[in-house]
Amino acid sequence: AQKITQTQPGMFVQEKEAVTLDCTYDTSDPSYGLFWYKQPSSGEMIFLIYQGSYDQQNATEGRYSLNFQKARKSANLVISASQLGDSAMYFCAGGGATNKLIFGTGTLLAVQP
Amino acid sequence: KAGVTQTPRYLIKTRGQQVTLSCSPISGHRSVSWYQQTPGQGLQFLFEYFSETQRNKGNFPGRFSGRQFSNSRSEMNVSTLELGDSALYLCASSLAYGSGRPSDTQYFGPGTRLTVL
Repeated sequence: AQKITQTQPGMFVQEKEAVTLDCTYDTSDPSYGLFWYKQPSSGEMIFLIYQGSYDQQNATEGRYSLNFQKARKSANLVISASQLGDSAMYFCAGGGATNKLIFGTGTLLAVQP
Repeated sequence: KAGVTQTPRYLIKTRGQQVTLSCSPISGHRSVSWYQQTPGQGLQFLFEYFSETQRNKGNFPGRFSGRQFSNSRSEMNVSTLELGDSALYLCASSLAYGSGRPSDTQYFGPGTRLTVL
């Protein structure tokens, strides 16, 4: 079974600075994917970035990048040049052989002006 | 392309009633998954449908059921509602799953916020 661990319940970052949100995973599936989602106070889960287990390079998507270290089983999200609109809950999730996503407990990010 | 839509967005029911939530996936997506989100338990997987067949089920009582239609639209039903069923119910769709590729990405709808009184 998969397990996703997010150890930072909350974080503060100054506007325009970069921030790293931690995620570690544990899975027995040989083929898996790691996902990051953003959930604003409205509740909608917004997909940010994906990293596949076979990917050789770290995923990037605009201001979002993933620091994927397979040996350490970590998939940390890096948000560059933080904006006020980035304030939200961020979830790391893992998917394997089935379409059942396992979510971490989330990190609440507050961007300060 | 239109995103995942869920109806209704908000629902208030009383204990013992039943409720049906609806989800329309992104066009072309055949996999639909349902999740329950509560402050205490976080995000938990309910079940997943692919081509009208339930492929996976989470650890929820039989009061929670679902189905998928031939057009990939899905419904979930909760019978004999309990106070603990109050939650945000999220539906997600994906093109594929288990491939280890970006097509496995699940895209979520806005959710249905259910309150049980």
